Amino acid sequence: AQSVTQPDIHITVSEGASLELRCNYSYGATPYLFWYVQSPGQGLQLLLKYFSGDTLVQGIKGFEAEFKRSQSSFNLRKPSVHWSDAAEYFCAVGIIQGAQKLVFGQGTRLTINP
Amino acid sequence: ETGVTQSPTHLIKTRGQQVTLRCSSQSGHNTVSWYQQALGQGPQFIFQYYREEENGRGNFPPRFSGLQFPNYSSELNVNALELDDSALYLCASSTRTSGRYEQYFGPGTRLTVT
Repeated sequence: AQSVTQPDIHITVSEGASLELRCNYSYGATPYLFWYVQSPGQGLQLLLKYFSGDTLVQGIKGFEAEFKRSQSSFNLRKPSVHWSDAAEYFCAVGIIQGAQKLVFGQGTRLTINP
Repeated sequence: ETGVTQSPTHLIKTRGQQVTLRCSSQSGHNTVSWYQQALGQGPQFIFQYYREEENGRGNFPPRFSGLQFPNYSSELNVNALELDDSALYLCASSTRTSGRYEQYFGPGTRLTVT
C-alpha cells in the first residue's frame, strides 16, 4: 500500500539556521511528490511538486526539495529560515487509482526560535 | 484567479445529526476532492468528483456522500454524525485534463460533534 513517512514529528530551529525536513514514501510506480505547508487553523498551501525531470525542485518561499529514487525520499530544505516559516509541513504522494488522490504523511511541526 | 472557498468556517453539531459542507473550486478547475484532517494528523482522502460523478473513494463509510454541480462546486454530506467525525474538512480542486495533478486547498471547515 502507498504510504508516506515523516520521521520527525516536531523540529525546532533558530531563525537564520538551515532546515531539512525528511520524507520517505512507499509507492510502486513513479511517484508524484508534493510538499504542503499549513499555518494554524488554515488550509494547505502548495510549496513545491515533483513530477519528473530534474530531481532538485524549487518552490515558493525559498524552499527546495530533492527527489532520491534510490532512497525513496523527498526531503524539503531551506538555507535560512524566517520566523514566518513556523507551521506544519506535510509531504504527500499523488497516486492515480481512478481518482487522483494525495496520500499524506503525519506532518512535521516546525518551531522557530528567535 | 479565485481560489478555493469553503463554507461554513466552523460548525457545531450533535451526534446523530446530519451536516452539509460546501466548496467552490478554483477558477478553471473541474475536479474536486474532499479530505478529513483529524487533530494532529495528515489529511485523509474521502472522495473525488469529476464531471459530477464520484470517481474514487477512500476508506470512509457510505454515510459520507457528496455532490458536484455543473459549475464544479461541490458538497460533502455526512449523515448520522459520530464524535469521531470531529475534524477539519478540506476541499481541494484540480484540473484533471491537463496532466497537472497538483491540488489546491481551501481553508477548511472545522466540524465539532458533541
